[in-house]
Amino acid sequence: DSGVTQTPKHLITATGQRVTLRCSPRSGDLSVYWYQQSLDQGLQFLIHYYNGEERAKGNILERFSAQQFPDLHSELNLSSLELGDSALYFCASSLGTSGYNEQFFGPGTRLTVL
Amino acid sequence: LAKTTQPISMDSYEGQEVNITCSHNNIATNDYITWYQQFPSQGPRFIIQGYKTKVTNEVASLFIPADRKSSTLSLPRVSLSDTAVYYCLVAYTGGFKTIFGAGTRLFVKA
Repeated sequence: DSGVTQTPKHLITATGQRVTLRCSPRSGDLSVYWYQQSLDQGLQFLIHYYNGEERAKGNILERFSAQQFPDLHSELNLSSLELGDSALYFCASSLGTSGYNEQFFGPGTRLTVL
Repeated sequence: LAKTTQPISMDSYEGQEVNITCSHNNIATNDYITWYQQFPSQGPRFIIQGYKTKVTNEVASLFIPADRKSSTLSLPRVSLSDTAVYYCLVAYTGGFKTIFGAGTRLFVKA
């Protein structure tokens, strides 16, 4: 158990819909990262927040947005969903902001868009 | 950001030592090399990290030559449970982006 929690574990929805994925980082960690992993693909970095502020953006679509709240939990919002958005979405947390800080990954949310 | 190149897949047998090499030709002075392990439908897990020479922990060893343009993850005496995808990641101390490559799919056979 990494200490990172993600909800829901599974999500099935239809094209055009909007969903929200939630992540609670490990106690004491200030950084939250979001990744997308499509079937048999590598991890695609989406976005990084540190203590409520956006620090870096990766290959995140304009239909996707995220935020980190004062209690440090984070939400990833996916809108106008398409079939290709079906994937595993991982959240990770780390203590600091440096890329070399060990990241602790949650169990992921499996999103299925029908 | 340094780009990494790893073999797509490797096969091994139980009890053998496995070495997975990662190429990172444009690694910068402040970059660290980190390896993660991922089992199917689980999030990656940190294995080991190093800057130069050799690092060893209870799970693996990491060898980094003087020019740091490559690194080798060594898994001693693998078991079936080591079947997973292994990612090499180069991350620098001042950066926020973490770029995972495609990873190496290791399959350990009995």
